[in-house]
Amino acid sequence: AQKITQTQPGMFVQEKEAVTLDCTYDTSDPSYGLFWYKQPSSGEMIFLIYQGSYDQQNATEGRYSLNFQKARKSANLVISASQLGDSAMYFCAMSGGSNYKLTFGKGTLLTVNP
Amino acid sequence: GAVVSQHPSRVICKSGTSVKIECRSLDFQATTMFWYRQFPKQSLMLMATSNEGSKATYEQGVEKDKFLINHASLTLSTLTVTSAHPEDSSFYICSASDRTSSYNEQFFGPGTRLTVL
Repeated sequence: AQKITQTQPGMFVQEKEAVTLDCTYDTSDPSYGLFWYKQPSSGEMIFLIYQGSYDQQNATEGRYSLNFQKARKSANLVISASQLGDSAMYFCAMSGGSNYKLTFGKGTLLTVNP
Repeated sequence: GAVVSQHPSRVICKSGTSVKIECRSLDFQATTMFWYRQFPKQSLMLMATSNEGSKATYEQGVEKDKFLINHASLTLSTLTVTSAHPEDSSFYICSASDRTSSYNEQFFGPGTRLTVL
């Protein structure tokens, strides 16, 4: 069984600062994928970044980077230069196994202060 | 990027009625679609996996007769909440899997907020 743990229910960051959202995972599958999604108050799920279990380098997408530490089973999301529009719920998720189902963590509510 | 639509975005119905929610992949063929349920301030809970042309696979604890899923084509899946009750009020989100994606990414619809009175 797969499990995603997000231990930070809420995080605060000042505008223009960087913030790290924690995510640890557990799986017995040798091949898996790790995703981060952003969910603003409107409810839509916005894909941010992906890291494959065999990827040698950490994924980056603009201001988002994924700090992938395989041995520690962690996949933390780093948001650089936070903006007010980054305030939202952030979910870490994992895929693997048949049908590529996603297992989600409980989420972290990020608030960016001006 | 791939676009998934959901209709309606918001629905209010009376207890005992049935509600149908549509999920469409607009610019790609989705062999697999997923239905999630999300309560306020909680995470997404997978309800079922829907493969085109075959019966849906439901997660443990999800009532098949309560939540009817049909995936009749490669671009459309529907979720029907039958005999809805107030406890069925929730945010329902679908996603569609693009098998041509390098990592089989799921693309999410905007969600449907169901309120049962």
